[in-house]
Amino acid sequence: ETGVTQSPTHLIKTRGQQVTLRCSSQSGHNTVSWYQQALGQGPQFIFQYYREEENGRGNFPPRFSGLQFPNYSSELNVNALELDDSALYLCASSLSGRTYNEQFFGPGTRLTVL
Amino acid sequence: ILNVEQSPQSLHVQEGDSTNFTCSFPSSNFYALHWYRWETAKSPEALFVMTLNGDEKKKGRISATLNTKEGYSYLYIKGSQPEDSATYLCAFIKDSSYKLIFGSGTRLLVRP
Repeated sequence: ETGVTQSPTHLIKTRGQQVTLRCSSQSGHNTVSWYQQALGQGPQFIFQYYREEENGRGNFPPRFSGLQFPNYSSELNVNALELDDSALYLCASSLSGRTYNEQFFGPGTRLTVL
Repeated sequence: ILNVEQSPQSLHVQEGDSTNFTCSFPSSNFYALHWYRWETAKSPEALFVMTLNGDEKKKGRISATLNTKEGYSYLYIKGSQPEDSATYLCAFIKDSSYKLIFGSGTRLLVRP
């Protein structure tokens, strides 16, 4: 059973650019959630995808968007990057309907916006 | 606005000491409470998923209790070891929703 993987590990972008972060879910999981962790804070929920549809969203602007593919891998896209988007981005996969939404996390992508 | 608070923010203990942390969450519409351990440069790892008032769960030297009526959970580590050094996060789920609401974590450092 493979775990959750994310790519790239680190990324540096400049303000105004666009970025795509990738996540490969744990085998058999049909749900993926994305979180942003800014320095000194806990992870903040961005959105969740279930069977390729957005299933819920946190307080993030529309320039944060996502995709989930039939093989349950997913992407997080951020347009018009701002300095405050610098953070660690975590994805987590889970199996809908099981174990009170227990989630399995990837190691994260560290995004720096200059 | 739902707030999940964790205390203390950080903790330095000596190897062999026992320690505990607190997670406070809204007591209404409780669905579940998760504890995660997050070691530096690794993925957060689920420790416990707690759902019932009065739940007590144990994994080795680590245990957790849950009080949903008053809105708190305690995590205990007995006889801390250097490998217990990590950030411990709790996350609250309300109303069987999809969303985990995290506290900002307790950073534990265990000195040999």
